[in-house]
Amino acid sequence: GAVVSQHPSWVICKSGTSVKIECRSLDFQATTMFWYRQFPKQSLMLMATSNEGSKATYEQGVEKDKFLINHASLTLSTLTVTSAHPEDSSFYICSAPPTGVQETQYFGPGTRLLVL
Amino acid sequence: QKEVEQNSGPLSVPEGAIASLNCTYSDRVSQSFFWYRQYSGKSPELIMSIYSNGDKEDGRFTAQLNKASQYVSLLIRDSQPSDSATYLCAILYSTLTFGKGTMLLVSP
Repeated sequence: GAVVSQHPSWVICKSGTSVKIECRSLDFQATTMFWYRQFPKQSLMLMATSNEGSKATYEQGVEKDKFLINHASLTLSTLTVTSAHPEDSSFYICSAPPTGVQETQYFGPGTRLLVL
Repeated sequence: QKEVEQNSGPLSVPEGAIASLNCTYSDRVSQSFFWYRQYSGKSPELIMSIYSNGDKEDGRFTAQLNKASQYVSLLIRDSQPSDSATYLCAILYSTLTFGKGTMLLVSP
């Protein structure tokens, strides 16, 4: 099946720093990618929809100025957590549906962020 | 508010038994339903998708959908310890909406 990669898989940072997470579709193009966040023992919550060549669409309650999303190509979306704080510590997962096949989403392996 | 409800569990079954996982949803418009398996510390992996009423079988897994009752379930036959994981029900509205998941524990 299709492969989605994320980098880094783990990141530990100090409070107040910014962290960039990359999501790549390795063998297909994705005009849309999705960013989720999962706190312990909770479900995946959609944060935003990343659209290639245009602005991301953020879910209610997600600060667009804090979680910057860039979808510069058909295979790469980045999520930057700006001025990270301990409450941002979570498991961040991206997914990508092959173009035109929205029902099929391939998840990246996730990035675990710990903010000290 | 579109909701997907699952019993958090844990659901404990002995090896070889049938595990039954249930999910209810709030929006009658939904047409696409999914079951994902998530091991601890890992991202979800798709097990089954189902789009029409009735049963859909794939190996040891059977998904069941009843749109009138707004209910979707997953049966796992001959459960194995390696099936121990959290099972997430997901409904596709404009985007995927996930339930909180049911933890399944299969004891040897």
